Amino acid sequence: SQQGEEDPQALSIQEGENATMNCSYKTSINNLQWYRQNSGRGLVHLILIRSNEREKHSGRLRVTLDTSKKSSSLLITASRAADTASYFCATDYNTDKLIFGTGTRLQVFP
Amino acid sequence: DAGITQSPRYKITETGRQVTLMCHQTWSHSYMFWYRQDLGHGLRLIYYSAAADITDKGEVPDGYVVSRSKTENFPLTLESATRSQTSVYFCASSQTSPETQYFGPGTRLLVL
Repeated sequence: SQQGEEDPQALSIQEGENATMNCSYKTSINNLQWYRQNSGRGLVHLILIRSNEREKHSGRLRVTLDTSKKSSSLLITASRAADTASYFCATDYNTDKLIFGTGTRLQVFP
Repeated sequence: DAGITQSPRYKITETGRQVTLMCHQTWSHSYMFWYRQDLGHGLRLIYYSAAADITDKGEVPDGYVVSRSKTENFPLTLESATRSQTSVYFCASSQTSPETQYFGPGTRLLVL
């Protein structure tokens, strides 16, 4: 399976703290995407980073990509209770479809 | 602006029955996808379609059939449901691929 892996599988933090989750993948990619899933709902796109980019920001989100290590990280700064969700990375492996990882479950306590 | 919808939202069926899950998008996106989500496996691609009348297999296509006669609809059929097909099914669409995908709310299917 080409499925990437997120690390950690679960993360619990207090409001105001930063949350970092990592994604590793297996072969070359065109882009890597991060999605959020609130319990029982569909996935929502957060950020897309292309293979020639190293860092991207969107509000409180910062994504980095290291193609030499085949890894990406998602940083959520100043976490809020509303950030509680599962976060998935998805890679394209130079195809027209995405392969999703197994996700990181983030719990933010008030 | 309805976006992408799935029906039914919940379905209980019995082993051996045929079940069709519907997906409809209002954006005229070229690409549509079907995923299943199971604990411990994340999302796995079942089938996808790059345009009307063009479909292709994903990672776990066995036991499923798709069609795409109109751009906006992408039904998924379980020809003879099995207990292992109990899952949450998500439909998604994107204008091009591999770009941002927009997901429906999901269909929870229980096969008894």
